[in-house]
Amino acid sequence: ETGVTQSPTHLIKTRGQQVTLRCSSQSGHNTVSWYQQALGQGPQFIFQYYREEENGRGNFPPRFSGLQFPNYSSELNVNALELDDSALYLCASSFGTDQPQHFGDGTRLSIL
Amino acid sequence: QKEVEQNSGPLSVPEGAIASLNCTYSDRGSQSFFWYRQYSGKSPELIMFIYSNGDKEDGRFTAQLNKASQYVSLLIRDSQPSDSATYLCAVNLFRYADGLTFGKGTHLIIQP
Repeated sequence: ETGVTQSPTHLIKTRGQQVTLRCSSQSGHNTVSWYQQALGQGPQFIFQYYREEENGRGNFPPRFSGLQFPNYSSELNVNALELDDSALYLCASSFGTDQPQHFGDGTRLSIL
Repeated sequence: QKEVEQNSGPLSVPEGAIASLNCTYSDRGSQSFFWYRQYSGKSPELIMFIYSNGDKEDGRFTAQLNKASQYVSLLIRDSQPSDSATYLCAVNLFRYADGLTFGKGTHLIIQP
């Protein structure tokens, strides 16, 4: 059984740039959720995708957007990057929107 | 009141003793509760989930839920040095559809 995979593992960007992070869900899982984790904090929910539709969104501005593809993989896009966007971005997949979520290893994003 | 609250610790427990981790949540209607373990520099790993009042046991771990008191706890029996990590409590609050709301985590140290 293949687990959740994320790419890239590390990324360095400058303020104002745009970034795309990718996630492949665990085999058999149809739901992907994205979280942002700042140092010393718990993960914060960004949004969730189920069957290619957004199913719930946290308190993040519209410059955070996402997609889910027919194979259930997903992308997180962030426009107009700010210094505060520096964080670990986590993708989690589940079999159903309210089922236990399993995390990938994350993408560490640094904004200079 | 914070949505999901945990004592940040550190909580220091001797090897072989029982570690008790606690979490309170704000939304009385919450239905799903999760415990994740996160080692430094790694992503969260699901260790327990509970939906009904009472106790749920899995190996050395027991999750306890009291919805009337809005309280969920995790007990780790026969604590081992490898249990030293940050433990994150996560709750499915209805305000974010099925996105999870995390506490800041409790840093647990098992002393050999």
